[in-house]
Amino acid sequence: AQKITQTQPGMFVQEKEAVTLDCTYDTSDPSYGLFWYKQPSSGEMIFLIYQGSYDQQNATEGRYSLNFQKARKSANLVISASQLGDSAMYFCAIKGPSGSARQLTFGSGTQLTVLP
Amino acid sequence: DTAVSQTPKYLVTQMGNDKSIKCEQNLGHDTMYWYKQDSKKFLKIMFSYNNKELIINETVPNRFSPKSPDKAHLNLHINSLELGDSAVYFCASSPQDGQGAPYNSPLHFGNGTRLTVT
Repeated sequence: AQKITQTQPGMFVQEKEAVTLDCTYDTSDPSYGLFWYKQPSSGEMIFLIYQGSYDQQNATEGRYSLNFQKARKSANLVISASQLGDSAMYFCAIKGPSGSARQLTFGSGTQLTVLP
Repeated sequence: DTAVSQTPKYLVTQMGNDKSIKCEQNLGHDTMYWYKQDSKKFLKIMFSYNNKELIINETVPNRFSPKSPDKAHLNLHINSLELGDSAVYFCASSPQDGQGAPYNSPLHFGNGTRLTVT
């Protein structure tokens, strides 16, 4: 079975500063994918970034980057130069063979608040 | 233009009623899903269909019945609604994973249906 743990229920960051949202995972699969999603207060789920288990480099997408430490089974999301619009719920998720047929298994989320 | 659309956006109904939520995707994806997000924001898979065939059916009461008339549609019918069914239900779709990078396809979500059972 696969599991995602997000230990920070809530985080605060000052506008324009960087913030790291923690994610650890548990899987026995050698091959898997890690994903981060953003859910603003309007409710939609927005895909942010993907990291494959065999990727040699950390994934980056604009202001989002993933600090992937495979040996520690962590995939932390780093948001640089935070903006007020980054205030949202952030979910880490995993996909792999033991998750059965390409489903995503989500963590409990981190509520990020960006302060002006 | 909408990629994954689900209707209705809000659904308020009384206990014991039967209701349906519709979902359509125009992305050409072969797999569709239903997820439930509870009041604590936890997202849990309910069902998954691949090319109209059911491939995931998690421990969900059999009052919930998915139906996929074709690859682009996955509807969710709920019988005898209970208070505990109140949640946000998300439809999602995904393409085939890449050959060189398995498990790399993100799910594309609809905007959710907020179901309130009174």
